[in-house]
Amino acid sequence: GAVVSQHPSRVICKSGTSVKIECRSLDFQATTMFWYRQFPKQSLMLMATSNEGSKATYEQGVEKDKFLINHASLTLSTLTVTSAHPEDSSFYICSAFTLLNTEAFFGQGTRLTVV
Amino acid sequence: DAKTTQPTSMDCAEGRAANLPCNHSTISGNEYVYWYRQIHSQGPQYIIHGLKNNETNEMASLIITEDRKSSTLILPHATLRDTAVYYCIVRVGGGNAGNMLTFGGGTRLMVKP
Repeated sequence: GAVVSQHPSRVICKSGTSVKIECRSLDFQATTMFWYRQFPKQSLMLMATSNEGSKATYEQGVEKDKFLINHASLTLSTLTVTSAHPEDSSFYICSAFTLLNTEAFFGQGTRLTVV
Repeated sequence: DAKTTQPTSMDCAEGRAANLPCNHSTISGNEYVYWYRQIHSQGPQYIIHGLKNNETNEMASLIITEDRKSSTLILPHATLRDTAVYYCIVRVGGGNAGNMLTFGGGTRLMVKP
């Protein structure tokens, strides 16, 4: 099946710094990718929809200036958590649908810890 | 997208069939039923999806009732590695990548020796 790769899988950063998470579709092109956040013992919550070549669409309550999304190519979307705070510590997951298939593929997730 | 209702948790004995129910009574005619699972600290894994016919693949079977208001995911011979949270999701199909998946609470399946 199609593969979506996320990097890094784990990151620890200091409060106030920025962290970039990459999401790549390895064997297919994805015009749209999705970013989710998951807190412990909770379900995945959609943060934003990343559109290649245009601005991302953010869900209500998600600060677009804090969570910067760039989808510069058909195989890469990045999520940058700016001025990170401990409450941003979470599991971040990206996904993408292939254009021909109807199922979404997910990255392995990134565990962010802000200290 | 229509909402789904799943039991919070279920247990299953290793080697037995695991039957995971899902209610989606407000499903629309163009919405598919998708099943994903998430093993601890990993991204969700696609299992199966269907519109109205029963479906089977190497991982599982999906049984959808005739009125499409509920479905059951069947893992025919559960193993310890099937312990995970299973999500039932309904979504408009047709390969439109703009239709995101909305996750509910899911069912935490515990497979026991």
